Amino acid sequence: DTGVSQNPRHKITKRGQNVTFRCDPISEHNRLYWYRQTLGQGPEFLTYFQNEAQLEKSRLLSDRFSAERPKGSFSTLEIQRTEQGDSAMYLCASSTRTGSGGTEAFFGQGTRLTVV
Amino acid sequence: QKEVEQDPGPLSVPEGAIVSLNCTYSNSAFQYFMWYRQYSRKGPELLMYTYSSGNKEDGRFTAQVDKSSKYISLFIRDSQPSDSATYLCAMSAAGGTSYGKLTFGQGTILTVHP
Repeated sequence: DTGVSQNPRHKITKRGQNVTFRCDPISEHNRLYWYRQTLGQGPEFLTYFQNEAQLEKSRLLSDRFSAERPKGSFSTLEIQRTEQGDSAMYLCASSTRTGSGGTEAFFGQGTRLTVV
Repeated sequence: QKEVEQDPGPLSVPEGAIVSLNCTYSNSAFQYFMWYRQYSRKGPELLMYTYSSGNKEDGRFTAQVDKSSKYISLFIRDSQPSDSATYLCAMSAAGGTSYGKLTFGQGTILTVHP
């Protein structure tokens, strides 16, 4: 499978615990994005990497959230001291530049987080 | 007001109908426009990608962009029950650190019944 891979697919955690999600992008893609999607809403941008550099973070990404992309390959998203409001689908996407100068982003299947 | 507005529906049509899905946006910097299909509890799947104004056709799907009106559409011809999903419009600006960052609409829930 050469698509974007995310693990785990589902995570149930108790409030206050830390969780970490992993994303493996399409191998030739140098851009990697994290989005969050709640029920009935479209995905919302969280953060973005070009290779190993984290270029932008949304104000949605509080101090409890941290993302890394060591060596420009896979990425991890960690949430510390989880809160019930963190319950959502966390989506990873990767992309490369198109001929028109834009990017086509391809998404993984997401990690569904439930905080109880 | 959100940068991208999309009627959440739900939209229910009979098999074989032509479906029209629409989004409006307010950010004139948006240059790239996409439509994604998302099945329940799955990640979004890229359907159509267009740059600037104009039409693009791919099989039963046609995407239209009217930048002067800040309005984009997706048409599905001969709709099938397998087209039942949530359809998300997405767009991005060109250049700068926001390059490639997508802003999504809320999504329209479509049901095609046999």
